[in-house]
Amino acid sequence: SQTIHQWPATLVQPVGSPLSLECTVEGTSNPNLYWYRQAAGRGLQLLFYSVGIGQISSEVPQNLSASRPQDRQFILSSKKLLLSDSGFYLCAWRASGRVYTGELFFGEGSRLTVL
Amino acid sequence: AQSVSQHNHHVILSEAASLELGCNYSYGGTVNLFWYVQYPGQHLQLLLKYFSGDPLVKGIKGFEAEFIKSKFSFNLRKPSVQWSDTAEYFCAVNAGSSASKIIFGSGTRLSIRP
Repeated sequence: SQTIHQWPATLVQPVGSPLSLECTVEGTSNPNLYWYRQAAGRGLQLLFYSVGIGQISSEVPQNLSASRPQDRQFILSSKKLLLSDSGFYLCAWRASGRVYTGELFFGEGSRLTVL
Repeated sequence: AQSVSQHNHHVILSEAASLELGCNYSYGGTVNLFWYVQYPGQHLQLLLKYFSGDPLVKGIKGFEAEFIKSKFSFNLRKPSVQWSDTAEYFCAVNAGSSASKIIFGSGTRLSIRP
């Protein structure tokens, strides 16, 4: 069966420090991968998505970036965090190709607090 | 740009009441539509989805939704809610030139009085 792992679960970082959130998926190949930010009353904001290794689509211009160095690995990064980067970040995957169902599967989430 | 609107931010109902949560999207082409639910302390999970065919789709736990293309709507309904339906509900749309892009609405918090 497929699983998704996201870490760290909680992170407290000072303003101006770098960020790296990791997400890996097991049990599937060539998934579509997503990073969302969830804020109370604002739903899920799509940040980045990827349909393959090295292919990243950015939805929100900001100081965050994403990379997909391997088929089932998706990384969210920042060189210098801002206070406004605080939030709850969710990684998600979706099957592609013959096993496509359209359904997104979400990780546990990472709570980032920037001080 | 594509967008999804959920106008009901917080809905409070008594048990056995009927539920309808609104969802409108802006995109003129073919869409796939979803409703997800997030119970307190849990992951988002899929309630139901529409790809094509019968515009009335049935999901888990007695939920259903109707796709009305002319109104760009995909409202979620349940004839009789239970206390266990207390959760946050999100509408999502898969649209645009890239079929991989999935956009969510702002969510509706549903509180059920026992």
